[in-house]
Amino acid sequence: TQLLEQSPQFLSIQEGENLTVYCNSSSVFSSLQWYRQEPGEGPVLLVTVVTGGEVKKLKRLTFQFGDARKDSSLHITAAQPGDTGLYLCAGPKSFQKLVFGTGTRLLVSP
Amino acid sequence: DVKVTQSSRYLVKRTGEKVFLECVQDMDHENMFWYRQDPGLGLRLIYFSYDVKMKEKGDIPEGYSVSREKKERFSLILESASTNQTSMYLCASTGTYEQYFGPGTRLTVT
Repeated sequence: TQLLEQSPQFLSIQEGENLTVYCNSSSVFSSLQWYRQEPGEGPVLLVTVVTGGEVKKLKRLTFQFGDARKDSSLHITAAQPGDTGLYLCAGPKSFQKLVFGTGTRLLVSP
Repeated sequence: DVKVTQSSRYLVKRTGEKVFLECVQDMDHENMFWYRQDPGLGLRLIYFSYDVKMKEKGDIPEGYSVSREKKERFSLILESASTNQTSMYLCASTGTYEQYFGPGTRLTVT
């Protein structure tokens, strides 16, 4: 069974701080996705990483795929209240299906 | 813009009632999904449909059924609602591995 474990589960920080969220598995994934879910909404795709060691940047967000394609991280620089939400990693399971991580709930206070 | 809509944002039903949750997508996607989202458990797949009238059980199908009579519409049915089905229900559609989610229906069964 493919499982994706995320850490930490909860993170409460002040505006301007940096943070890193981790997504780990014992299984190899061909790619990993990161979604953000804002309160009262469905998840929205942020990025897909497909190559081991790949780094992708989306403004203040930096995503990295592990060399062995078993893990990924999301680093946010100078967090803002608008970054508040639930961050989910997800990997392909079979036939268009995804397995989702347990999620990291981030709260950024002004 | 891809749009996935769900019939209700909030729903309160009584134990034993039959409940219908409707989902419509406008991207002509073949694949549609129903998930439930619970704190600490992440997103769990209930049912998956890969074409009209075609469906496949997900990880937690017990107590649920689905209907896909038209490509754009995927319905989740709770045959006899129970209190342990109180949850956030998310519908998604996909053309490839990127999943587009609706805003969710928060169902409370009393």
